[in-house]
Amino acid sequence: RKEVEQDPGPFNVPEGATVAFNCTYSNSASQSFFWYRQDCRKEPKLLMSVYSSGNEDGRFTAQLNRASQYISLLIRDSKLSDSATYLCSFNFNKFYFGSGTKLNVKP
Amino acid sequence: NAGVTQTPKFQVLKTGQSMTLQCAQDMNHNSMYWYRQDPGMGLRLIYYSASEGTTDKGEVPNGYNVSRLNKREFSLRLESAAPSQTSVYFCASSAAGHLEGGSEKLFFGSGTQLSVL
Repeated sequence: RKEVEQDPGPFNVPEGATVAFNCTYSNSASQSFFWYRQDCRKEPKLLMSVYSSGNEDGRFTAQLNRASQYISLLIRDSKLSDSATYLCSFNFNKFYFGSGTKLNVKP
Repeated sequence: NAGVTQTPKFQVLKTGQSMTLQCAQDMNHNSMYWYRQDPGMGLRLIYYSASEGTTDKGEVPNGYNVSRLNKREFSLRLESAAPSQTSVYFCASSAAGHLEGGSEKLFFGSGTQLSVL
């Protein structure tokens, strides 16, 4: 079983849509969680950390469900500029990454 | 502030050739990492260095060696390149060590596209 699993997508959504991604992890002792954004042929950049109580940053909301061992990312009012690949990551002795979910926001 | 700088950006090698990927960070971070990224595989850890003077294997270390030259620099060496090592390589750094957990994030370099023919 992979340490981290993500739906690769692509998710094709119109501008203004709300879209959500999930990411499951196998190690229940994982300590910290993150969402990274990666544009085509670029390096990943941190989008947001994920806290136990859930957290929001503008149009982005991240949540952690320890009981079911997944994290989620919700994007409201999608913009064309949100088109990218979103990688989930968690830290348990090492940083593990999912393979990424591709999002295409269409006009 | 340059952050994490890696060179070269592109490299083509023939099977059996050797090369070293260079990485330097100017954020005074303790930990540095080398990842490779292949389509559909996500980022896989090759080697990491939790602090100056230490290095440890990650998920896919075979065929690679590393050197943590000082706190700033962490290099990745391919002694005898193979086509299976064709990939995009990212160097990264973080303030905290792997084992310390916490909410420390990774800062990535811009990547090296390596092709082995």
